[in-house]
Amino acid sequence: KQEVTQIPAALSVPEGENLVLNCSFTDSAIYNLQWFRQDPGKGLTSLLLIQSSQREQTSGRLNASLDKSSGRSTLYIAASQPGDSATYLCAGGPSAGAGSYQLTFGKGTKLSVIP
Amino acid sequence: EPEVTQTPSHQVTQMGQEVILRCVPISNHLYFYWYRQILGQKVEFLVSFYNNEISEKSEIFDDQFSVERPDGSNFTLKIRSTKLEDSAMYFCASSASVTGELFFGEGSRLTVL
Repeated sequence: KQEVTQIPAALSVPEGENLVLNCSFTDSAIYNLQWFRQDPGKGLTSLLLIQSSQREQTSGRLNASLDKSSGRSTLYIAASQPGDSATYLCAGGPSAGAGSYQLTFGKGTKLSVIP
Repeated sequence: EPEVTQTPSHQVTQMGQEVILRCVPISNHLYFYWYRQILGQKVEFLVSFYNNEISEKSEIFDDQFSVERPDGSNFTLKIRSTKLEDSAMYFCASSASVTGELFFGEGSRLTVL
């Protein structure tokens, strides 16, 4: 069964700082890994999807990497802004090994960017 | 930009009552999902639906739960007899392919009293 862990659980940084959020997963047979943003009481906004054949994806100030062999993904946020404050969720995608369609989520990293 | 829409945004119900949560997935998507998030906990998979049938379900998705695509646009989650522990945010999601990007709705908050 897939397990997804995110470290740290919470992070507070001053505005302008570059930062890295970490995600680890146990089932390396995933087809993809997806990063989401969740604002309090709101839905999940997809940030980046990395297919298993890819090493990284970039969108604006965000860059996500995937290393299936080590079971790790990182989300890099450049030049952080107060508007980046939210909870960031990592989700391991459908698994060829488990024959499963589901995403398995981590508990998230709550990011606070201080002006 | 296409989006997944969910109604209601918040529903309060008495224990034992039936609840139907509604979703309109993105129009050209073929795979549909329900997830839930109990306050302070992880987002959990409930069920996936493709080609008018359930393709996978979790242990949470017991006989009290059912899903339906009654027409070409709506996707519903029914809880027959709600329990206190069903209180959660329920998210609908859709994707164009099984390995494609998942898009989530804003969620329906269910409170069972």
